[in-house]
Amino acid sequence: DAGVIQSPRHEVTEMGQEVTLRCKPISGHDYLFWYRQTMMRGLELLIYFNNNVPIDDSGMPEDRFSAKMPNASFSTLKIQPSEPRDSAVYFCASSQEGVFYNEQFFGPGTRLTVL
Amino acid sequence: GQNIDQPTEMTATEGAIVQINCTYQTSGFNGLFWYQQHAGEAPTFLSYNVLDGLEEKGRFSSFLSRSKGYSYLLLKELQMKDSASYLCAVGSGYALNFGKGTSLLVTP
Repeated sequence: DAGVIQSPRHEVTEMGQEVTLRCKPISGHDYLFWYRQTMMRGLELLIYFNNNVPIDDSGMPEDRFSAKMPNASFSTLKIQPSEPRDSAVYFCASSQEGVFYNEQFFGPGTRLTVL
Repeated sequence: GQNIDQPTEMTATEGAIVQINCTYQTSGFNGLFWYQQHAGEAPTFLSYNVLDGLEEKGRFSSFLSRSKGYSYLLLKELQMKDSASYLCAVGSGYALNFGKGTSLLVTP
């Protein structure tokens, strides 16, 4: 398997622009997670899905952020409008429900810079 | 909510043993995870503890005390490639809440 795939790997945009980050989870995994990582706040869970349904979005910073999972093999995280404080590395991870625990497999991340 | 604390930075010598501590306060718990993250890369899974005690996996071991809200990751026979950030995470349902990570520098 190719692992979790994210695109783009790097994104540089100007304040006010819309940004869309994409994720393809590992085939057969039924959980998908979006994280944001910064030096100040560490790795924060934004939202996660189970079988394409959002389960917990309490980590989404504000209404400018939205996430969708239209099918089992694709998810998007959208920021509109973007602000400089959104600059971070955004990771997508997926996992499969297990008997004892579900190990999360992370994608390579998207490094977002908002100028 | 979750409160997870671990040291920000540690330095150790190649060949030595290092212990990275993690304390947590949580309203829900279904396991303690350790992840390794090299600079510029994604986190990768190292270990999982749900019961009290020590789990050993090669050069890495992880310990958990649920009553004390305490875990540690023990790295033996340190190698230069072990220089990385080590993230402690508490499982709650199917979500993970991560600490800010401990940056470990291994020196010759």
